[in-house]
Amino acid sequence: GDSVTQMEGPVTLSEEAFLTINCTYTATGYPSLFWYVQYPGEGLQLLLKATKADDKGSNKGFEATYRKETTSFHLEKGSVQVSDSAVYFCALSINNAGNMLTFGGGTRLMVKP
Amino acid sequence: DVKVTQSSRYLVKRTGEKVFLECVQDMDHENMFWYRQDPGLGLRLIYFSYDVKMKEKGDIPEGYSVSREKKERFSLILESASTNQTSMYLCASSLTPGGPPGNTIYFGEGSWLTVV
Repeated sequence: GDSVTQMEGPVTLSEEAFLTINCTYTATGYPSLFWYVQYPGEGLQLLLKATKADDKGSNKGFEATYRKETTSFHLEKGSVQVSDSAVYFCALSINNAGNMLTFGGGTRLMVKP
Repeated sequence: DVKVTQSSRYLVKRTGEKVFLECVQDMDHENMFWYRQDPGLGLRLIYFSYDVKMKEKGDIPEGYSVSREKKERFSLILESASTNQTSMYLCASSLTPGGPPGNTIYFGEGSWLTVV
């Protein structure tokens, strides 16, 4: 079946540090890939997405590139802020299969001033 | 903006009680979903619905049922709540199945359920 594996947290960084959160996947069909973010006490918000190989999704300074050869979709940000502290979820949905998301376990990011 | 509204943010119920979690979306989406979120396990799909009165089991349907009598409303029902159902429940919605790749799924703010 389909699955998403992302690095366990928590990840603790100082403000302005470089962030990488690794995400790899296995999929039975051709997936679209997503990063969702969950701020404390809130639901999930779409952060970025990519729908085909070599696409780069970007938003709010975050980026992730769809790498089919390594089945990966790592999240990066060049300079994190305290306000980026949240839980980040990598997810996939199989194209033309009802848009259901399969999620990774989530990675908690804590940014210290 | 798309809005997915879950009726209760925090609930405390007793073991054996029947529990209803309500979800309403305002964008005429065909698809609606109920997920459960637990630490270290991410989100797991309980049930989904792609049309009124239609429902499909997700990965962990045991102990749950759902109801979709109107397009905008999708209810999750715990027939007899148990302590292992203490969790955060998230409702979501999206456009039609088979829509464009990467169809965005929108989430509500979540309902924290504690069963004592």
